[in-house]
Amino acid sequence: AQKITQTQPGMFVQEKEAVTLDCTYDTSDQSYGLFWYKQPSSGEMIFLIYQGSYDEQNATEGRYSLNFQKARKSANLVISASQLGDSAMYFCAMREPLYGGSQGNLIFGKGTKLSVKP
Amino acid sequence: DSGVTQTPKHLITATGQRVTLRCSPRSGDLSVYWYQQSLDQGLQFLIQYYNGEERAKGNILERFSAQQFPDLHSELNLSSLELGDSALYFCASSVDLRQGAGEQFFGPGTRLTVL
Repeated sequence: AQKITQTQPGMFVQEKEAVTLDCTYDTSDQSYGLFWYKQPSSGEMIFLIYQGSYDEQNATEGRYSLNFQKARKSANLVISASQLGDSAMYFCAMREPLYGGSQGNLIFGKGTKLSVKP
Repeated sequence: DSGVTQTPKHLITATGQRVTLRCSPRSGDLSVYWYQQSLDQGLQFLIQYYNGEERAKGNILERFSAQQFPDLHSELNLSSLELGDSALYFCASSVDLRQGAGEQFFGPGTRLTVL
C-alpha cells in the first residue's frame, strides 16, 4: 500500500530564510505523482507544486521547489525567502494509481505546521 | 480562488440527523473527489465520481453516500450522524488523469459540527 510520511510535526523558520519540509513516500508503482498542499488557519487547501515520477527535473513554482530524490523516495518541499504568510500546515500527498479500485485519489501525510518568525 | 465551490461553509446539527453537502467543480473538470479531515484520522479519501459515475471508494461509511449530477455538481449525504462525524469535508476536482498531471483543486470545505 502507498504511504506518505511527514516526520516533522512542527517547524520554525525566521522570516526571509529558506526552509525544507520533509516528505518520504512508499510505493511499488513506477508511475506516480507527488503533491504539496498548504492549509492556512482559514482551512482551505491550496495546491502548491507537483512532481511526476518520470520528471527528470525538480519541480519549481515561484518560491517553492520540490527536492525529488527518487532512489531515496523523498520529495521535500523547499520554501525560499520565507514570508509571514507562509505560516500554515503543509501536506505532502501521493496520487493513487489508476487501477485496483483507485482512480487517482490522493493519500496525505499527517502534515507539518510551519511557523514563520518575524 | 480554486474555482471549486462548496456549500454550506458551516453546518451544525444534532446526532441522528441527516445533512447534504454540495460541491460544484471547476469548469471543465469531470472528476470530483470527497475528502474528510478530522483531528484523529487526518485527511482521508471518501469517494470519487467521474462524469456522473462512481469511480472509487475510500474509507467511506455506509451511512454516507454521494452522487454526481448531469451538470457535474456533486452532493455528499451524511445520515444517522454521530459525534465522530464532526470534521472538515472537502470536495476537490481535477481534469481527466489521462490528459494531465491530475492536480486536484480543493474547495473551501464544509465544517460539520455534530452536537
